[in-house]
Amino acid sequence: EDKVVQSPLSLVVHEGDTVTLNCSYEVTNFRSLLWYKQEKKAPTFLFMLTSSGIEKKSGRLSSILDKKELFSILNITATQTGDSAIYLCAVDPGPNFGNEKLTFGTGTRLTIIP
Amino acid sequence: EAQVTQNPRYLITVTGKKLTVTCSQNMNHEYMSWYRQDPGLGLRQIYYSMNVEVTDKGDVPEGYKVSRKEKRNFPLILESPSPNQTSLYFCASSSPAGLSAFFGQGTRLTVV
Repeated sequence: EDKVVQSPLSLVVHEGDTVTLNCSYEVTNFRSLLWYKQEKKAPTFLFMLTSSGIEKKSGRLSSILDKKELFSILNITATQTGDSAIYLCAVDPGPNFGNEKLTFGTGTRLTIIP
Repeated sequence: EAQVTQNPRYLITVTGKKLTVTCSQNMNHEYMSWYRQDPGLGLRQIYYSMNVEVTDKGDVPEGYKVSRKEKRNFPLILESPSPNQTSLYFCASSSPAGLSAFFGQGTRLTVV
């Protein structure tokens, strides 16, 4: 059975801190790993990672994948209260590129204290 | 505006009364999926569809039905809802072009 495990389950930090969220996976097939941010309702897309060692970056957020060790991290620097959310990691097993079948972790709830 | 629209957003119903949650996307995506989200369990896939008239079971299909008669619509049907189907449901669509899945705003269902 495919498994995606995120840690920590919950994290509370002060504004301005840097956080690292972890995602490890054990899956039969792997096409890509995705990170989503879920604030109030719908998860919104952050990153898609397919190749090992290549960092994806968007503003204060960055992510990297290690396909040998089967994990990914999501870094957020200089955190702001607007970063408070649940961060979801998901694996797309393929074979298509279409994300039609994703296996999600349970998420990390991040709370930023002003 | 690209979007996935679910209706209703909130629904409280009684055990055994058939219901349908609609999902519509305006992006001409081939793939559509239904997920449920429960505390401590994360998002789990119920059913997915690769194209019109092509559907397949996800990880937790029991108690649900779907249909894909048109490309834009992918309704989720609960023929006889039970309290253990109380959950937050998400519809998602995507394409083989490799862009990420795009989620609807969610439907919070309570079965009493």
